[in-house]
Amino acid sequence: QSALTQPASVSGSPGQSITISCTGTSSDVGGYNYVSWYQQHPGKAPKLMIYDVSNRPSGVSNRFSGSKSGNTASLTISGLQAEDEADYYCSSYTSSSTDVVFGGGTKLTVL
Amino acid sequence: EVQLVESGGGLVQPGGSLRLSCAASGFTFSSYWMSWVRQAPGKGLEWVANIKQDGSEKYYVDSVKGRFTISRDNAKNSLYLQMNSLRAEDTAVYYCARVNILTVSFDYWGQGTLVTVSS
Repeated sequence: QSALTQPASVSGSPGQSITISCTGTSSDVGGYNYVSWYQQHPGKAPKLMIYDVSNRPSGVSNRFSGSKSGNTASLTISGLQAEDEADYYCSSYTSSSTDVVFGGGTKLTVL
Repeated sequence: EVQLVESGGGLVQPGGSLRLSCAASGFTFSSYWMSWVRQAPGKGLEWVANIKQDGSEKYYVDSVKGRFTISRDNAKNSLYLQMNSLRAEDTAVYYCARVNILTVSFDYWGQGTLVTVSS
């Protein structure tokens, strides 16, 4: 069982917006602004999309945005495109012994 | 261009050992914390181990403590993971990842190497 809880799947049509949630506790998501999001296409390595809750690395589309409220972080993808279809994972710093915990991942399907 | 290239994966029997390597290029390797992250078939990501720039600090997920050892050779721009007493549940793709310590994120990843523990 993953330390952070994500929905198993979400879907949306091209051009629409979707939001993926990531729920933790006050020891991780709620206690620190060190939430990151990763995109992983099948058979490929993960790619950093968001760090520090809402910051985008250089080169990542501004269609991707992040936010946090309490113990839940969210990734929003606007203007969905076919190439956004992938698995998405959240991660957070944690005060537990592991330092970093991941969510279980969410499969995004673009209809 | 940052590149991380893992090698050393393969099929190993339960109780066996394997050493993974990660060759880094395109950045000053000695300036970064590095990590190993694994992904079991069809499952999510799991952080495995971290190592500080000079190798003086190392951290492990509880499930591999005492069995896995992370190390690095800054002269060779290389990261390693020595895996002993392997179990079926260690079967996974192992990724080498660069750590951004300021943001506690993994900003670059290798393509991964598959480790299969089976008799």
